[in-house]
Amino acid sequence: DAGITQSPRHKVTETGTPVTLRCHQTENHRYMYWYRQDPGHGLRLIHYSYGVKDTDKGEVSDGYSVSRSKTEDFLLTLESATSSQTSVYFCAISDGRDTDQPQHFGDGTRLSIL
Amino acid sequence: KQEVTQIPAALSVPEGENLVLNCSFTDSAIYNLQWFRQDPGKGLTSLLLIQSSQREQTSGRLNASLDKSSGRSTLYIAASQPGDSATYLCAVSRGAQKLVFGQGTRLTINP
Repeated sequence: DAGITQSPRHKVTETGTPVTLRCHQTENHRYMYWYRQDPGHGLRLIHYSYGVKDTDKGEVSDGYSVSRSKTEDFLLTLESATSSQTSVYFCAISDGRDTDQPQHFGDGTRLSIL
Repeated sequence: KQEVTQIPAALSVPEGENLVLNCSFTDSAIYNLQWFRQDPGKGLTSLLLIQSSQREQTSGRLNASLDKSSGRSTLYIAASQPGDSATYLCAVSRGAQKLVFGQGTRLTINP
């Protein structure tokens, strides 16, 4: 298995509170991604990073921010959580921009916002 | 906007059958197409990646084909086993490996 660790694995919190999810990799891959998975929508890209301090928006970035201060860590922050952000969040890594190697995914974080 | 569709949404077959899962996409300007497997409560496991210049890839009992001009891919599973039961997802890469996913096909193999 690719060395990807997501934390926490489960979290329940209240509307309006800040939440930070962490993705840690041991593969030294340049690209890291955050997706959310919802019934009826599949997986959708939130943000991605192509290097330390280099990030860009994905398809559903509103309400989320990210940071990458080290190659191995990619943080996803919900500044003020809303019930619509209840979802399963997956981190993924890739070793190149247009590569013949697949993305590798973490086991996900199940986030419930009450 | 790229859209990816997987049909059927669910499929149930007896053990030993050969089966085909379908994936279609609306924009043929892709870098690659990837098939993943997802078990309940788990992350995604990569099965096969087909680059845009390729027509097919094989791994064991799995064979994936790609027809970029028609916007279609198929995943063929030979001699299905109960352990193949899972949700199968296809995704196309738009560059920088930004993946656009279909909603998946939930496959059940009955012993």
